[in-house]
Amino acid sequence: GAVVSQHPSWVICKSGTSVKIECRSLDFQATTMFWYRQFPKQSLMLMATSNEGSKATYEQGVEKDKFLINHASLTLSTLTVTSAHPEDSSFYICSARDWAGLGGNSPLHFGNGTRLTVT
Amino acid sequence: AQTVTQSQPEMSVQEAETVTLSCTYDTSESDYYLFWYKQPPSRQMILVIRQEAYKQQNATENRFSVNFQKAAKSFSLKISDSQLGDAAMYFCAYRTLNNNAGNMLTFGGGTRLMVKP
Repeated sequence: GAVVSQHPSWVICKSGTSVKIECRSLDFQATTMFWYRQFPKQSLMLMATSNEGSKATYEQGVEKDKFLINHASLTLSTLTVTSAHPEDSSFYICSARDWAGLGGNSPLHFGNGTRLTVT
Repeated sequence: AQTVTQSQPEMSVQEAETVTLSCTYDTSESDYYLFWYKQPPSRQMILVIRQEAYKQQNATENRFSVNFQKAAKSFSLKISDSQLGDAAMYFCAYRTLNNNAGNMLTFGGGTRLMVKP
Protein backbone atom coordinates (compact mmCIF):
# COMPACT_ATOMS: atom_id res chain seq x y z
CA GLY A 1 0.00 0.00 0.00
CA ALA A 2 0.92 3.63 -0.31
CA VAL A 3 3.41 4.86 2.23
CA VAL A 4 4.30 8.30 3.44
CA SER A 5 7.68 8.61 5.09
CA GLN A 6 8.07 11.41 7.59
CA HIS A 7 11.48 12.21 8.95
CA PRO A 8 12.70 12.65 11.59
CA SER A 9 10.33 10.84 13.92
CA TRP A 10 11.54 12.91 16.82
CA VAL A 11 13.90 15.81 17.27
CA ILE A 12 15.17 17.93 20.13
CA CYS A 13 16.56 21.33 19.35
CA LYS A 14 17.65 24.41 21.20
CA SER A 15 15.60 27.55 21.28
CA GLY A 16 16.43 29.85 18.39
CA THR A 17 17.52 27.14 15.98
CA SER A 18 15.61 25.89 12.93
CA VAL A 19 14.33 22.40 12.31
CA LYS A 20 13.33 20.83 9.00
CA ILE A 21 10.79 18.03 8.77
CA GLU A 22 10.46 16.01 5.59
CA CYS A 23 7.36 14.32 4.24
CA ARG A 24 7.95 11.98 1.34
CA SER A 25 5.50 9.89 -0.65
CA LEU A 26 7.29 6.66 -1.48
CA ASP A 27 5.18 5.02 -4.16
CA PHE A 28 2.80 7.65 -5.43
CA GLN A 29 2.76 11.23 -6.58
CA ALA A 30 1.34 13.72 -4.15
CA THR A 31 0.14 16.94 -5.73
CA THR A 32 -1.13 18.14 -2.39
CA MET A 33 0.27 17.66 1.09
CA PHE A 34 -1.19 18.81 4.36
CA TRP A 35 0.68 19.71 7.52
CA TYR A 36 -1.02 19.23 10.87
CA ARG A 37 -0.02 20.07 14.40
CA GLN A 38 -1.21 18.10 17.38
CA PHE A 39 -0.76 19.15 21.00
CA PRO A 40 -0.95 16.48 23.72
CA LYS A 41 -4.44 15.05 24.12
CA GLN A 42 -5.79 17.33 21.43
CA SER A 43 -6.92 16.97 17.88
CA LEU A 44 -5.04 17.53 14.65
CA MET A 45 -5.13 21.15 13.58
CA LEU A 46 -4.41 21.94 9.97
CA MET A 47 -1.53 24.35 9.63
CA ALA A 48 -1.17 24.61 5.88
CA THR A 49 -1.84 23.02 2.54
CA SER A 50 1.02 22.73 0.11
CA ASN A 51 0.68 22.17 -3.60
CA GLU A 52 3.56 21.07 -5.74
CA GLY A 53 5.22 23.99 -7.47
CA SER A 54 3.22 26.74 -5.79
CA LYS A 55 3.07 28.59 -2.51
CA ALA A 56 1.49 26.95 0.47
CA THR A 57 -1.87 28.08 1.79
CA TYR A 58 -1.72 28.73 5.51
CA GLU A 59 -4.59 28.51 7.94
CA GLN A 60 -5.58 31.53 9.92
CA GLY A 61 -3.26 32.16 12.82
CA VAL A 62 -0.33 30.19 11.41
CA GLU A 63 2.75 32.32 10.78
CA LYS A 64 4.02 31.59 7.31
CA ASP A 65 7.41 33.14 8.04
CA LYS A 66 7.87 30.87 11.00
CA PHE A 67 6.61 27.67 9.44
CA LEU A 68 8.19 27.53 6.01
CA ILE A 69 6.73 24.97 3.65
CA ASN A 70 8.33 23.86 0.44
CA HIS A 71 6.75 21.40 -1.98
CA ALA A 72 9.32 21.32 -4.73
CA SER A 73 8.49 17.93 -6.17
CA LEU A 74 5.56 15.55 -6.45
CA THR A 75 7.04 13.33 -3.78
CA LEU A 76 8.50 15.69 -1.21
CA SER A 77 7.25 18.46 1.02
CA THR A 78 9.24 20.01 3.85
CA LEU A 79 8.21 21.99 6.89
CA THR A 80 10.87 24.17 8.47
CA VAL A 81 10.23 25.56 11.91
CA THR A 82 12.40 28.68 12.03
CA SER A 83 13.77 30.20 15.22
CA ALA A 84 12.06 27.55 17.25
CA HIS A 85 10.78 28.33 20.74
CA PRO A 86 9.55 26.01 23.50
CA GLU A 87 5.94 26.80 22.60
CA ASP A 88 6.59 25.24 19.17
CA SER A 89 7.09 21.90 20.86
CA SER A 90 4.39 19.66 19.47
CA PHE A 91 3.65 16.67 17.28
CA TYR A 92 3.65 17.47 13.57
CA ILE A 93 1.95 15.17 11.07
CA CYS A 94 1.90 15.35 7.30
CA SER A 95 -0.68 13.88 4.99
CA ALA A 96 -0.29 13.38 1.27
CA ARG A 97 -3.02 13.26 -1.33
CA ASP A 98 -2.56 10.60 -3.97
CA TRP A 99 -2.71 12.25 -7.38
CA ALA A 100 -4.18 9.11 -8.87
CA GLY A 101 -7.61 9.74 -7.38
CA LEU A 102 -10.15 12.37 -8.28
CA GLY A 103 -11.42 15.01 -5.92
CA GLY A 104 -12.61 13.71 -2.62
CA ASN A 105 -12.02 10.15 -3.69
CA SER A 106 -8.27 10.63 -3.91
CA PRO A 107 -6.69 8.71 -1.05
CA LEU A 108 -5.03 10.54 1.80
CA HIS A 109 -2.04 8.91 3.45
CA PHE A 110 -0.51 9.98 6.73
CA GLY A 111 3.08 10.07 7.83
CA ASN A 112 4.01 8.69 11.24
CA GLY A 113 4.55 12.16 12.66
CA THR A 114 7.44 14.09 14.15
CA ARG A 115 7.71 14.90 17.82
CA LEU A 116 9.49 18.22 18.21
CA THR A 117 10.86 19.30 21.56
CA VAL A 118 12.42 22.74 21.84
CA THR A 119 14.55 23.30 24.93
CA ALA B 1 -16.11 26.37 6.82
CA GLN B 2 -16.94 22.99 8.20
CA THR B 3 -16.80 22.01 11.84
CA VAL B 4 -16.74 18.58 13.43
CA THR B 5 -17.78 17.97 17.03
CA GLN B 6 -17.16 14.95 19.18
CA SER B 7 -19.02 15.44 22.42
CA GLN B 8 -17.44 12.55 24.32
CA PRO B 9 -13.86 13.26 25.39
CA GLU B 10 -13.59 9.79 26.91
CA MET B 11 -15.49 6.54 26.66
CA SER B 12 -15.03 3.22 28.36
CA VAL B 13 -16.21 -0.22 27.29
CA GLN B 14 -15.87 -3.70 28.64
CA GLU B 15 -14.01 -6.15 26.46
CA ALA B 16 -16.38 -7.97 24.07
CA GLU B 17 -19.08 -5.36 24.56
CA THR B 18 -20.33 -2.76 22.08
CA VAL B 19 -19.64 0.96 22.23
CA THR B 20 -20.83 3.89 20.14
CA LEU B 21 -18.83 7.05 19.59
CA SER B 22 -20.71 10.19 18.60
CA CYS B 23 -19.87 12.76 15.97
CA THR B 24 -21.79 15.67 14.54
CA TYR B 25 -20.70 18.09 11.87
CA ASP B 26 -21.78 21.30 10.28
CA THR B 27 -21.58 22.01 6.58
CA SER B 28 -23.39 23.74 3.77
CA GLU B 29 -22.11 21.26 1.22
CA SER B 30 -24.34 18.56 -0.14
CA ASP B 31 -21.66 16.07 -1.02
CA TYR B 32 -18.64 15.13 1.05
CA TYR B 33 -16.88 12.26 2.78
CA LEU B 34 -16.81 11.32 6.42
CA PHE B 35 -14.17 9.26 8.15
CA TRP B 36 -13.27 7.71 11.44
CA TYR B 37 -9.57 7.49 12.23
CA LYS B 38 -7.92 5.63 15.05
CA GLN B 39 -4.77 6.99 16.68
CA PRO B 40 -3.08 4.51 19.03
CA PRO B 41 -0.26 5.54 21.39
CA SER B 42 2.17 5.26 18.47
CA ARG B 43 0.38 8.37 17.07
CA GLN B 44 0.00 6.74 13.66
CA MET B 45 -3.28 7.73 12.01
CA ILE B 46 -5.19 4.62 10.95
CA LEU B 47 -8.27 4.82 8.76
CA VAL B 48 -11.09 2.85 10.34
CA ILE B 49 -14.03 3.49 8.08
CA ARG B 50 -15.25 5.84 5.38
CA GLN B 51 -18.69 7.04 4.30
CA GLU B 52 -19.64 8.88 1.13
CA ALA B 53 -22.42 11.36 1.84
CA TYR B 54 -24.33 10.45 -1.31
CA LYS B 55 -24.67 6.87 -0.16
CA GLN B 56 -27.62 6.12 2.07
CA GLN B 57 -26.28 2.77 3.13
CA ASN B 58 -24.20 2.83 6.27
CA ALA B 59 -20.61 1.71 5.84
CA THR B 60 -19.36 -1.35 7.68
CA GLU B 61 -15.88 -2.80 8.13
CA ASN B 62 -15.87 -6.01 10.12
CA ARG B 63 -16.58 -5.01 13.74
CA PHE B 64 -16.88 -1.34 12.86
CA SER B 65 -20.03 0.26 11.49
CA VAL B 66 -21.44 3.74 11.26
CA ASN B 67 -24.84 5.30 11.68
CA PHE B 68 -24.92 8.10 9.14
CA GLN B 69 -27.83 10.49 9.48
CA LYS B 70 -27.33 13.10 6.79
CA ALA B 71 -30.26 15.31 7.68
CA ALA B 72 -29.17 15.40 11.30
CA LYS B 73 -25.51 15.74 10.29
CA SER B 74 -24.62 12.91 12.57
CA PHE B 75 -22.01 10.22 12.01
CA SER B 76 -21.55 7.81 14.90
CA LEU B 77 -19.17 4.86 15.06
CA LYS B 78 -20.18 1.55 16.56
CA ILE B 79 -17.53 -0.89 17.64
CA SER B 80 -18.82 -4.39 18.28
CA ASP B 81 -17.08 -7.11 20.27
CA SER B 82 -14.57 -4.58 21.59
CA GLN B 83 -10.99 -5.77 21.89
CA LEU B 84 -8.11 -4.50 23.99
CA GLY B 85 -6.40 -3.37 20.81
CA ASP B 86 -9.27 -1.01 20.10
CA ALA B 87 -8.10 1.27 22.89
CA ALA B 88 -6.99 4.50 21.25
CA MET B 89 -8.01 8.02 20.35
CA TYR B 90 -10.72 8.10 17.72
CA PHE B 91 -11.16 11.07 15.45
CA CYS B 92 -14.14 11.83 13.29
CA ALA B 93 -13.21 13.73 10.15
CA TYR B 94 -14.98 15.57 7.37
CA ARG B 95 -13.54 15.79 3.90
CA THR B 96 -14.67 18.46 1.49
CA LEU B 97 -14.92 17.77 -2.21
CA ASN B 98 -13.85 21.35 -2.87
CA ASN B 99 -10.77 20.96 -5.02
CA ASN B 100 -9.75 24.54 -4.26
CA ALA B 101 -9.37 23.48 -0.65
CA GLY B 102 -7.33 20.47 -1.69
CA ASN B 103 -10.06 18.17 -0.47
CA MET B 104 -8.76 18.77 3.03
CA LEU B 105 -9.77 16.94 6.18
CA THR B 106 -11.27 18.66 9.19
CA PHE B 107 -10.99 16.71 12.42
CA GLY B 108 -13.16 16.57 15.48
CA GLY B 109 -11.68 16.93 18.94
CA GLY B 110 -11.32 13.20 19.46
CA THR B 111 -12.66 10.59 21.84
CA ARG B 112 -10.35 8.52 23.98
CA LEU B 113 -11.64 4.96 24.12
CA MET B 114 -10.59 2.73 26.99
CA VAL B 115 -11.25 -0.99 26.89
CA LYS B 116 -11.50 -2.82 30.18
CA PRO B 117 -10.46 -6.46 30.34
